[in-house]
Amino acid sequence: QKEVEQNSGPLSVPEGAIASLNCTYSDRGSQSFFWYRQYSGKSPELIMFIYSNGDKEDGRFTAQLNKASQYVSLLIRDSQPSDSATYLCAVTPNSGYALNFGKGTSLLVTP
Amino acid sequence: DAGITQSPRHKVTETGTPVTLRCHQTENHRYMYWYRQDPGHGLRLIHYSYGVKDTDKGEVSDGYSVSRSKTEDFLLTLESATSSQTSVYFCAISTGDVGNQPQHFGDGTRLSIL
Repeated sequence: QKEVEQNSGPLSVPEGAIASLNCTYSDRGSQSFFWYRQYSGKSPELIMFIYSNGDKEDGRFTAQLNKASQYVSLLIRDSQPSDSATYLCAVTPNSGYALNFGKGTSLLVTP
Repeated sequence: DAGITQSPRHKVTETGTPVTLRCHQTENHRYMYWYRQDPGHGLRLIHYSYGVKDTDKGEVSDGYSVSRSKTEDFLLTLESATSSQTSVYFCAISTGDVGNQPQHFGDGTRLSIL
């Protein structure tokens, strides 16, 4: 089983700050990278995906991918209390059709 | 809204009984998946399907079987439920023509095996 690693947190940031969430993966052939947000008791919700090295921005969210370092990150600008959730990193292996998930990072945005 | 409905949403049953969970989609996507989510383990793939009657095993398939007789329905069966199968089960669909496209999840089924 290929590994996807995330710091479990909780990561605590003040309202208005930038939250930085990190993920590393072990399968060097991985092709697709996803970030999901999951509120307690709810299902995962896709917020970003990235396929190529570099940055991808969508509103307050930026995904960053560095395949050489096997590292993907999610930046949340102007963090709001409503961003408090668990963020799941997911990676598609080179040979597969399914996602390998990290265990998630808990984010707490304090007013 | 990816048009995914899971049923039932909650179920409590006893060890040794059969259980079937249903995932229904409205958009005719080819790829469908069953995951379970447990504290300390995250989301783990049980089985997936890449077409009608085409299925394959995931990381934690022991004790589970699946069937897909129609594009819109993907069934997960626990033939003889055990307490270790107490979990939250999520169905997902991939919206692309290949499996490495974004996946979208149903609302989940909370299953308790007593």
